[in-house]
Amino acid sequence: QKEVEQDPGPLSVPEGAIVSLNCTYSNSAFQYFMWYRQYSRKGPELLMYTYSSGNKEDGRFTAQVDKSSKYISLFIRDSQPSDSATYLCAMEEGGSEKLVFGKGTKLTGNP
Amino acid sequence: EAQVTQNPRYLITVTGKKLTVTCSQNMNHEYMSWYRQDPGLGLRQIYYSMNVEVTDKGDVPEGYKVSRKEKRNFPLILESPSPNQTSLYFCASSQSTDTQYFGPGTRLTVL
Repeated sequence: QKEVEQDPGPLSVPEGAIVSLNCTYSNSAFQYFMWYRQYSRKGPELLMYTYSSGNKEDGRFTAQVDKSSKYISLFIRDSQPSDSATYLCAMEEGGSEKLVFGKGTKLTGNP
Repeated sequence: EAQVTQNPRYLITVTGKKLTVTCSQNMNHEYMSWYRQDPGLGLRQIYYSMNVEVTDKGDVPEGYKVSRKEKRNFPLILESPSPNQTSLYFCASSQSTDTQYFGPGTRLTVL
């Protein structure tokens, strides 16, 4: 089993819809959970950062972490054409100096 | 403006010809790292540095070298590039390892 699993998509989403992106992981030592957004031909940019379990909301974006299920999610409300990108989850143990990334989910807007 | 810069952005070279990809950050970050991104494999860490003169291997260090003589710069050196090093390379920096900021990427083709 890979350390971090993420469905590559592509995921086609109509404008205005709610999007759910997910990652599962196997390493119970992960404590820090991140979502990065990567536009075509650009570097990844940090979107959301969460420590341990719980929810975090920032505008249209909500990140959820369920450590008991080793499952993290990113919800995007009111999907916009500008949300078309690849979304990467990333995790870190804390003190390990190493991020482990999912392979990314490609999100495509469907007007 | 806070940023991570990489040069060159695009490079086509031939097998065995030594090359250096430069990376510079203006945020006084201590932590810097290099990743490669390949289709189906996601982002993989090549090397990282926790501070000046402190570097360590990531997941895929073979065929690469790095140095950290100044805090702001972290060049990636390919002493004898091979076609399997054709990839998209990203430099990243952060003050803590859990929130890394990425450069725009360098697309390398080795013929």
